[in-house]
Amino acid sequence: DTGVSQNPRHKITKRGQNVTFRCDPISEHNRLYWYRQTLGQGPEFLTYFQNEAQLEKSRLLSDRFSAERPKGSFSTLEIQRTEQGDSAMYLCASSSGLATGELFFGEGSRLTVL
Amino acid sequence: GNSVTQMEGPVTLSEEAFLTINCTYTATGYPSLFWYVQYPGEGLQLLLKATKADDKGSNKGFEATYRKETTSFHLEKGSVQVSDSAVYFCALIETSGSRLTFGEGTQLTVNP
Repeated sequence: DTGVSQNPRHKITKRGQNVTFRCDPISEHNRLYWYRQTLGQGPEFLTYFQNEAQLEKSRLLSDRFSAERPKGSFSTLEIQRTEQGDSAMYLCASSSGLATGELFFGEGSRLTVL
Repeated sequence: GNSVTQMEGPVTLSEEAFLTINCTYTATGYPSLFWYVQYPGEGLQLLLKATKADDKGSNKGFEATYRKETTSFHLEKGSVQVSDSAVYFCALIETSGSRLTFGEGTQLTVNP
């Protein structure tokens, strides 16, 4: 399968714990995005990488959130000191950049904070 | 800022019925417009797109026309199938932008 892969698919954690999600994009794609989706809402942009450079961050990305893409391949999204409001589906997408707006999404990582 | 508004859902239709899902947008420039679809248990996938005014995007029997004068990009299909049951998201991106802005989504259920 050469699509976007996200792990873990589900994570249940207690408030205050740290969690990390991983995204493996389509191998030839140099752009990688993180979005957050809550029930009944559309995806909301969190951050964007071109290769290893983080070029844009949303105001939604508080200082408890950090994303990295150290070698321009896979990416991680870490949430520190989780809060119940962090419960959501975290979506990763990648693109080649040749066709603006044409993103390939993974199936998402669902976070539940108790 | 940019925003996308979709018709209030959910939408329930019988097989072979005509489908319209409304989408209007607000943007400062001349965005490209998209419809993404999310089938149950799957990731979002691009359904169709239009990059300039009066363009018509089409795929799998679905169509949408970029109407600059009404800032709309309504999704239509002449005859829906049970397999079209999914959540549909309208989205836009500015010409020089990097982020997609999505609408809230419309759940479509097609009954046999």
